[in-house]
Amino acid sequence: GAVVSQHPSRVICKSGTSVKIECRSLDFQATTMFWYRQFPKQSLMLMATSNEGSKATYEQGVEKDKFLINHASLTLSTLTVTSAHPEDSSFYICSAIQINTGGEKLFFGSGTQLSVL
Amino acid sequence: KQEVTQIPAALSVPEGENLVLNCSFTDSAIYNLQWFRQDPGKGLTSLLLIQSSQREQTSGRLNASLDKSSGRSTLYIAASQPGDSATYLCAGLGLGNQFYFGTGTSLTVIP
Repeated sequence: GAVVSQHPSRVICKSGTSVKIECRSLDFQATTMFWYRQFPKQSLMLMATSNEGSKATYEQGVEKDKFLINHASLTLSTLTVTSAHPEDSSFYICSAIQINTGGEKLFFGSGTQLSVL
Repeated sequence: KQEVTQIPAALSVPEGENLVLNCSFTDSAIYNLQWFRQDPGKGLTSLLLIQSSQREQTSGRLNASLDKSSGRSTLYIAASQPGDSATYLCAGLGLGNQFYFGTGTSLTVIP
């Protein structure tokens, strides 16, 4: 089946540093990828929709200058948390839409646990 | 705006019981519906996908149904096992390729 690879799985960084998270669709092309954030014991919160070759669409309340998204190819989207602070500590997950004759299906990466000290 | 509610929020059952998880949408205009499983600290794993032309899907001990007219979906788990303990999320695909997620049901199966 389709696979979405997310890297790294865990990041611990100092406050003020920037962290880049990669999301790759390994065996299909994904024109659309999504970035989510999850706080403990809460559901996923959509942060932004990443479209290949164009600017990402951010959800209300998500700072686009804080969370930079780049979708430069059909198989790679990156999320950069700029000048990270402890409140940015969270679980970040990406997903990608696979479109085939059977319809659309969403596949998820394994997530990135970000801890900002 | 689409809102997705999952009931119950938490469920604890003894091993071997059959159980039903519920998912409802405020806007029934959804095209596909997926049920996911999430283990702590892990990404979501897709369990079942019900496409717009379908009403239910089955995989092993899992059966999911979708009533688009009412905007409701159920996930039926037969003969529950401790390994089924996880959080279960439903998600509907709506306009603009937007996925709307439920709040999740935390399931604990007691050996």
